[in-house]
Amino acid sequence: EDKVVQSPLSLVVHEGDTVTLNCSYEVTNFRSLLWYKQEKKAPTFLFMLTSSGIEKKSGRLSSILDKKELFSILNITATQTGDSAVYLCAVSGGATNKLIFGTGTLLAVQP
Amino acid sequence: DGGITQSPKYLFRKEGQNVTLSCEQNLNHDAMYWYRQDPGQGLRLIYYSQIVNDFQKGDIAEGYSVSREKKESFPLTVTSAQKNPTAFYLCASSIWGQSRNQPQHFGDGTRLSIL
Repeated sequence: EDKVVQSPLSLVVHEGDTVTLNCSYEVTNFRSLLWYKQEKKAPTFLFMLTSSGIEKKSGRLSSILDKKELFSILNITATQTGDSAVYLCAVSGGATNKLIFGTGTLLAVQP
Repeated sequence: DGGITQSPKYLFRKEGQNVTLSCEQNLNHDAMYWYRQDPGQGLRLIYYSQIVNDFQKGDIAEGYSVSREKKESFPLTVTSAQKNPTAFYLCASSIWGQSRNQPQHFGDGTRLSIL
């Protein structure tokens, strides 16, 4: 059975800290891994990763994929209170674009 | 602005009642999806559609129905057969192509509760 596992389940840090969120997967016919940020409502797209070892970067956020070890990490440097959210990892596999989601990591950044 | 619009934001259902959640997109995306989100669980796929007049069951389709008569619209009906409908429902869309990886983009969701 396909699955995506995120860790930790929740995390509390102080502003300015650096955090690393983890996502491991077992998905048949892997196509891509995606990271989303969810605050109150819609998950917003952060990154899509398809190739191993190539870092994607957007401001203070970065992510990398290891297709051999079947995991990805999302790094956030110099965290701010606005980074507080649930971070979702999802993997697409097979012939369709169906996404399999992890349960998410709840990040709380304290002032 | 292009985007995905879900309505209503909040919906209350009485026992034995069917309710329909609306999802409209003006992104010209081919594929549309419905997910359910429960506390402490990841998003779970209910139904998806890759082209007009065609749709497929996801992992938890029982008690739900959909239609795809127009490219822009993918309404979800929660039927009385769905015994635990209280959840946050998210609609998504994406460009579709088997040789292309394209991210799904989400609407703001509908929160459904039982009266």
